Amino acid sequence: GESVGLHLPTLSVQEGDNSIINCAYSNSASDYFIWYKQESGKGPQFIIDIRSNMDKRQGQRVTVLLNKTVKHLSLQIAATQPGDSAVYFCAEKTGYSTLTFGKGTMLLVSP
Amino acid sequence: GAGVSQSPRYKVAKRGQDVALRCDPISGHVSLFWYQQALGQGPEFLTYFQNEAQLDKSGLPSDRFFAERPEGSVSTLKIQRTQQEDSAVYLCASSGTSQETQYFGPGTRLLVL
Repeated sequence: GESVGLHLPTLSVQEGDNSIINCAYSNSASDYFIWYKQESGKGPQFIIDIRSNMDKRQGQRVTVLLNKTVKHLSLQIAATQPGDSAVYFCAEKTGYSTLTFGKGTMLLVSP
Repeated sequence: GAGVSQSPRYKVAKRGQDVALRCDPISGHVSLFWYQQALGQGPEFLTYFQNEAQLDKSGLPSDRFFAERPEGSVSTLKIQRTQQEDSAVYLCASSGTSQETQYFGPGTRLLVL
């Protein structure tokens, strides 16, 4: 299930389940969105991106959905694996270069 | 090829000391960004370079923070007279252009005692 921890919302799933991580973004003018994965002690790692002229984009085991009407972004991970355990951040691009990150969701995958 | 590298990976400083954090971007990347990440939070933008030009420094929290990229490649973030509230992970990212995906380095974890 999903719960709010001391610092981050946490999503706990079993290995093999599909995971859905949600993100609300703030700026209706944002035209580019990215999902990053951050493991402990490492920098954010690019997963997938989507531009505002699309509502869905698929990668390998991951899908990003964009709903501009309600300013909502989601990341779907198929057949979640223990190696997917990490903190996931959505980021929106406002202006020419600045990325604004969301608060992050911790994904815990149990074997 | 090699990704973004940062050094040192860890830095402990006494309050009041000056520190310098280095970023080596991906070769050929024009754009370079610095972010600050507090524990349990997402990265927050500090400053942006296009080649050697610092085009945006609106995120620098005070005049104790200074960044440079003199030859349009390696960048240094300098923090003068460090304070405890400066303790954070400092992340560097680079991209081919400002419109492209930003790739992050591993970060420098700064602890100010």
